[in-house]
Amino acid sequence: EDQVTQSPEALRLQEGESSSLNCSYTVSGLRGLFWYRQDPGKGPEFLFTLYSAGEEKEKERLKATLTKKESFLHITAPKPEDSATYLCAVQSSMEYGNKLVFGAGTILRVKS
Amino acid sequence: GAGVSQSPSNKVTEKGKDVELRCDPISGHTALYWYRQSLGQGLEFLIYFQGNSAPDKSGLPSDRFSAERTGGSVSTLTIQRTQQEDSAVYLCASSAISAETQYFGPGTRLLVL
Repeated sequence: EDQVTQSPEALRLQEGESSSLNCSYTVSGLRGLFWYRQDPGKGPEFLFTLYSAGEEKEKERLKATLTKKESFLHITAPKPEDSATYLCAVQSSMEYGNKLVFGAGTILRVKS
Repeated sequence: GAGVSQSPSNKVTEKGKDVELRCDPISGHTALYWYRQSLGQGLEFLIYFQGNSAPDKSGLPSDRFSAERTGGSVSTLTIQRTQQEDSAVYLCASSAISAETQYFGPGTRLLVL
């Protein structure tokens, strides 16, 4: 069974304090690993897709990396507007339907 | 361009009533997904539609749940005889083709009293 575990469950940072969020996964053939951001009361907003180990993608203060067992979302010099829940999901190449299997998320709070 | 839209935004219903939730995918997207997000739980897959292929219903939690997609576009998720445990946010997503990035709508917040 495909599984995704995110840590920590919650993270509090001071503005400018860089850190990383972890996403550990087990999947029967990785088609893709996805990172989303979710603000309260809204749907998930797409951030990145990673397809193979060693791949990295960046967007503003965020950088996502991928290994064969986990992915990291690095946040450099965060700002209060980066506060949100960050969701990680995997898509299996062995499953019909291409559903996403999500982790529980990491709630990030950035204080000014 | 317009994103995925869902209606209603909020729905309050009484236990035992039927409800219908609507999803309008991004224009031209052929794949459509429904997920459920309950308090304290992650998003869980419910059902997937791809073009004219048979839908993947493997995530539907009981036979009270059903969904249809008319004309390859709009989808309706129906919950019959609602129970309190059905209270959750129901999210719809679409992708240009199967296996591509899924874009989510704002969700419908369902509360069953």
